Amino acid sequence: KQEVTQIPAALSVPEGENLVLNCSFTDSAIYNLQWFRQDPGKGLTSLLLIQSSQREQTSGRLNASLDKSSGRSTLYIAASQPGDSATYLCAVTQGGSEKLVFGKGTKLTVNP
Amino acid sequence: NAGVTQTPKFRILKIGQSMTLQCTQDMNHNYMYWYRQDPGMGLKLIYYSVGAGITDKGEVPNGYNVSRSTTEDFPLRLELAAPSQTSVYFCASSQQGAIGQPQHFGDGTRLSIL
Repeated sequence: KQEVTQIPAALSVPEGENLVLNCSFTDSAIYNLQWFRQDPGKGLTSLLLIQSSQREQTSGRLNASLDKSSGRSTLYIAASQPGDSATYLCAVTQGGSEKLVFGKGTKLTVNP
Repeated sequence: NAGVTQTPKFRILKIGQSMTLQCTQDMNHNYMYWYRQDPGMGLKLIYYSVGAGITDKGEVPNGYNVSRSTTEDFPLRLELAAPSQTSVYFCASSQQGAIGQPQHFGDGTRLSIL
């Protein structure tokens, strides 16, 4: 059974700092991995989707990497801003399945 | 620019009552999903649909029912509400399914069963 773990559960950093969020998964037979952002009282917003054949994806100050063989992904946020404060979730898709398996998320607070 | 719209936003039910959570998307997406999110947890898939008239169970379908009569709408029904169904419910949609493109989420329905 696929399990997704995100460490740390919470992270507080000063504005301007570069930071890394971690995601690990137990079954490397994934089709893709997604990083989402969730603001309080809101739904999820997809940030980056990495197909299993890719190593990384970039969008603005965000960079996500995928090492399928070791079951790990990282989300790198450059020059963090208070507006980046949110909960970040990662989710993996198994081949042939519509089911996304989510981690519990990392709650990020960026202090001005 | 509506995207995925869920109603109601909040609801309190008594044990044993029934209700329908509504979900509508205006992006002409084929795939639609219902998730629940319990406090401090990730999302779990309840049901999904790959097109009008086609639905399938997800990870936690017990106590719920769905139907998909149109491309736009995917309602979720609770027949006999139980305290264990207290949660935040999210509806999502995508054009090509989980293997292809990211899912677009609604803002959720916060449901409490007392």
